[in-house]
Amino acid sequence: EVQLVESGGGRVKPGGSLRLSCAASGFTFSDYGMNWVRQTPGKGLEWVSSISTSSSNYIYYADSVKGRFTISRDNSKNSLYLQMNSLRAEDTAVYYCAVGGGDPSNYWGRGTLVTVSS
Amino acid sequence: SYVLAQPPSVSVAPGKTAMITCGGNNIGGKSVHWYQQKPGQAPVLVISYDSDRPSGIPERFSGSNSGNTATLTISRVEAGDEADYYCQVWDSSSDHWVFGGGTKLTVL
Repeated sequence: EVQLVESGGGRVKPGGSLRLSCAASGFTFSDYGMNWVRQTPGKGLEWVSSISTSSSNYIYYADSVKGRFTISRDNSKNSLYLQMNSLRAEDTAVYYCAVGGGDPSNYWGRGTLVTVSS
Repeated sequence: SYVLAQPPSVSVAPGKTAMITCGGNNIGGKSVHWYQQKPGQAPVLVISYDSDRPSGIPERFSGSNSGNTATLTISRVEAGDEADYYCQVWDSSSDHWVFGGGTKLTVL
């Protein structure tokens, strides 16, 4: 069974940093591109970032996070990461990791809540 | 940047057919994916590549895409289909995934 478990969310002050992790199991992690997608409570889905299987083919970011967020992965640990710096109130959201990369996301985690507030 | 437009809400009686549209400039030239999201849950892919149904998705769900509009059609709507539905495309000009704003399907 495919499982994606996000962690690392929490409350942080504006300008602060957080590192999200996504632990993957039940599939060959290194064979799939991965995405981070976020959702402001009560609002719609917003794509954040995508990374290819080996990180060398592509890494893409939404304009709203480019230069502040860094996506990475460790295939030896079946893990996906999102380093978030210079956080803003508008970054408050549930962050989902999802399998897919350049393909539609067949599997999603349950999400981790990030709250940016003073 | 590429924009996808969805109606905020669609209402349908049980047993009837619901059609949820996703509008975009020449969207027919792109592959459209549809997700269902129920309250408190992660999204679920219900249609990929315009009209493909992933394993486990009922045949009642179908999709089409042409011109400037893609459509998710849900036949014989059930109470359990009540959810938010999002369309998604890959915008190759910006290397960005783009989501529509979402449509809340209400089963009357």
